[in-house]
Amino acid sequence: DAGVIQSPRHEVTEMGQEVTLRCKPISGHNSLFWYRQTMMRGLELLIYFNNNVPIDDSGMPEDRFSAKMPNASFSTLKIQPSEPRDSAVYFCASSLSGTLQETQYFGPGTRLLVL
Amino acid sequence: AQKITQTQPGMFVQEKEAVTLDCTYDTSDPSYGLFWYKQPSSGEMIFLIYQGSYDQQNATEGRYSLNFQKARKSANLVISASQLGDSAMYFCLLLHMDTGRRALTFGSGTRLQVQP
Repeated sequence: DAGVIQSPRHEVTEMGQEVTLRCKPISGHNSLFWYRQTMMRGLELLIYFNNNVPIDDSGMPEDRFSAKMPNASFSTLKIQPSEPRDSAVYFCASSLSGTLQETQYFGPGTRLLVL
Repeated sequence: AQKITQTQPGMFVQEKEAVTLDCTYDTSDPSYGLFWYKQPSSGEMIFLIYQGSYDQQNATEGRYSLNFQKARKSANLVISASQLGDSAMYFCLLLHMDTGRRALTFGSGTRLQVQP
């Protein structure tokens, strides 16, 4: 099993540019999560999907952030326009189903630097 | 409000010794779960161990065990026979239901340094 795959692993961009982060969950997993990690805020849950449907996006910081999951094997997190304060590590995670008390498996993360 | 607290920002331990990382939580949900994740310097989050609120026995996974004291609302991680590769950041997580939605609350983390 390849685990959760994220791309790119590193992204450096200029303020105002659009950034798209990609995630492929573990095959057969029905829930997908996007997290952001910073020194100031620690780990934050941004949004999660169950069966490709967004369940809770209350953690999305503002309208510049959007996430989609067009099918069970692919999700994107888009920032448009990007700002320096968006610099962080973005993790994608997946789990088998949307039930409580379940393990989430994290991808390696995307390190984003907005100049 | 649900919350989770890790009071030790940093810990040192000698190689081959055991270490306990503290985690306390506060939730009004009768059903919840507690996770421990490890984050090495490479940044990846690695699942270590899980404890359900209704589980009768403390969870164990190899050298990791969870000292679950439900009445005290604590879920401390015990690492036996520490290895140099255990040096990392450790996060305690509370999984619970919040107005019908699943929610995850993260602790602030403990940085563990294993010394030779």
